[in-house]
Amino acid sequence: EADIYQTPRYLVIGTGKKITLECSQTMGHDKMYWYQQDPGMELHLIHYSYGVNSTEKGDLSSESTVSRIRTEHFPLTLESARPSHTSQYLCASSDKSRTGAPGGTDTQYFGPGTRLTVL
Amino acid sequence: KNQVEQSPQSLIILEGKNCTLQCNYTVSPFSNLRWYKQDTGRGPVSLTIMTFSENTKSNGRYTATLDADTKQSSLHITASQLSDSASYICVVSDRGSTLGRLYFGRGTQLTVWP
Repeated sequence: EADIYQTPRYLVIGTGKKITLECSQTMGHDKMYWYQQDPGMELHLIHYSYGVNSTEKGDLSSESTVSRIRTEHFPLTLESARPSHTSQYLCASSDKSRTGAPGGTDTQYFGPGTRLTVL
Repeated sequence: KNQVEQSPQSLIILEGKNCTLQCNYTVSPFSNLRWYKQDTGRGPVSLTIMTFSENTKSNGRYTATLDADTKQSSLHITASQLSDSASYICVVSDRGSTLGRLYFGRGTQLTVWP
């Protein structure tokens, strides 16, 4: 079982509120990721980080922002939540596969997710 | 366009029966293919990973196959249990970048009935 944690697990808030979703891992992984997943749909990468002070936007445009001040911590912030932000947010981290194959062999470990509902 | 398609979208089987889930992909250049299990309200958990040189990989009652020529993979579950009820997601990685871009299927929702 991977040691990656997300809080809160469930959050219901009103429109316009600022929220921060927490993600932390104790595996010492350099790479971390945030995904957004709607019911019955595929995961979409919204942010990722190669390491401390590194953040990049993913494939799906998102109004959220992230920071990576410490290796183990990768919080996601929404300055002003809207109903369109209602979704499940999954955090993941990865290490290098022991196969030694070229890029893309990282095994990603996922947290339990945060189910966000914006009213 | 790189895509991952899974079928069926949902499946109901009786406890103890076998089933096979399908995954077709168009991702290129191909690096590896993973099957994940995602329980309701939880994050995905890796079941198997296969590179282009591997055509079968087992993990307990789960057996994944890969045909890199036809770009197809299957996940076979033997002697299903109630705890197998979950979404099974096929994930294909390319080797076009150091990040290792992942392409996710929408998953097959498996329900095992007693």
